[in-house]
This record gives sequence, structure tokens and C-alpha cells, in this order.
Amino acid sequence: AQTVTQSQPEMSVQEAETVTLSCTYDTSESDYYLFWYKQPPSRQMILVIRQEAYKQQNATENRFSVNFQKAAKSFSLKISDSQLGDAAMYFCAYRPGSFSGGGADGLTFGKGTHLIIQP
Amino acid sequence: AAGVIQSPRHLIKEKRETATLKCYPIPRHDTVYWYQQGPGQDPQFLISFYEKMQSDKGSIPDRFSAQQFSDYHSELNMSSLELGDSALYFCASSLGEGPGEQYFGPGTRLTVT
Repeated sequence: AQTVTQSQPEMSVQEAETVTLSCTYDTSESDYYLFWYKQPPSRQMILVIRQEAYKQQNATENRFSVNFQKAAKSFSLKISDSQLGDAAMYFCAYRPGSFSGGGADGLTFGKGTHLIIQP
Repeated sequence: AAGVIQSPRHLIKEKRETATLKCYPIPRHDTVYWYQQGPGQDPQFLISFYEKMQSDKGSIPDRFSAQQFSDYHSELNMSSLELGDSALYFCASSLGEGPGEQYFGPGTRLTVT
């Protein structure tokens, strides 16, 4: 079974600075997808960024980028120019890819990192 | 743009009662997923459906059942409710059963007293 580990229960960063959230995962599959979801106080789950394991290039979405190290099974999220609206729980998630025999596979989430933005 | 609709948004039930949660996916989405998020926990995958057939099964208790209907909406039926079932229940939808983005609904908050 796949596992996702987020070792930082809470992180704090000054507004406008950069913060990196860590995520490691364990899988025997070679085809999979990794995600970062944001859950603000409203509890809505919002997709921040997605990475396909077969792509070596790290995904980026505006101020959000990842550092994907496949051999190390590491998938960290970097948030640049932190804004007050970035304050939320951040969940790292994994799902098998199509070639791993998966159908509509559910996501496996880490325990989350609570990100605090200091004004 | 239309999003995933879940009803009701809040539900209070007593122990041993039953509850039915409904999920209406984004139009044209044919795949539905159910997740349970307990207080202070990460979401746990329960079950998914693609084209009205069960596709993947996670940690869904035997007391729970779910189905997807011809219009692709889905219902999660929960019986013999326990205090530990109190949680936020998310439905997500996607187009196809591949690894496309799962769009989450706002959740149904179930409280069992």
C-alpha cells in the first residue's frame, strides 16, 4: 500500500517570503501522480499543483512550484511571495497512474501541514 | 462554472440512525469519489464509481453503501450510525476514470449525537 508522509505539522512564514513544505511517499509503482491540495478554513479542497511521475520537469503554477525527486520519493511544495490568502492546511496526495492498473483510484493523502502566514 | 453539489451541507443524526448523503457531479463528469475527513485528520478515500459501476474501494465500513445513478449523481447511505462517523464527507468528480483532476464539492458535515 502507498503511504504519504508530511513531517511538518505546522509551518510559519512571513508575508512575501518563501516557504517549502515537505512530502515523501512510498510506492512500488513507476506510474503515478502526485498532488498538493490546499484546504482553507472553509474546508474546501482546492488543487494547487499536480505532477506526473513520468515527467522529469517540475510542475509550476504561478507562485507555486514543486521539487520532484523521483529516486528519493520526495515531492516538496515551494510557495514564493507568500500571501495572507495562502494560510491553510496543505495536503500532499498520491494516486496510481493508468498503467498501474488503476481505475478511478482514490487519492491517498498525507496528514497535512498547517501553514501560517505572519503579516 | 458549475461545481460539485453536495446535499445536505449539514446533518445531525442520533446513534443507530441512518443517513443519506447526495452528490451531484460537474455536468458531463462520469466519475464520482467519496472521502471522509474526521476532525483534524486527512481525507480518507471511501469508494468511487465510474459510469455507474463501482471502480475502487477504500476504507468504507460495511455499514455504508453507495451507488451512482443513471444521471451520474451518487448517494452514500450510512446505517447504524456511530459517534465516530461524525466527519466531513466530501464528494469529488472527474471526467473519465483516469488520473485527471478530482474536483471536490464543499462537503457534508455529519454530526452523530
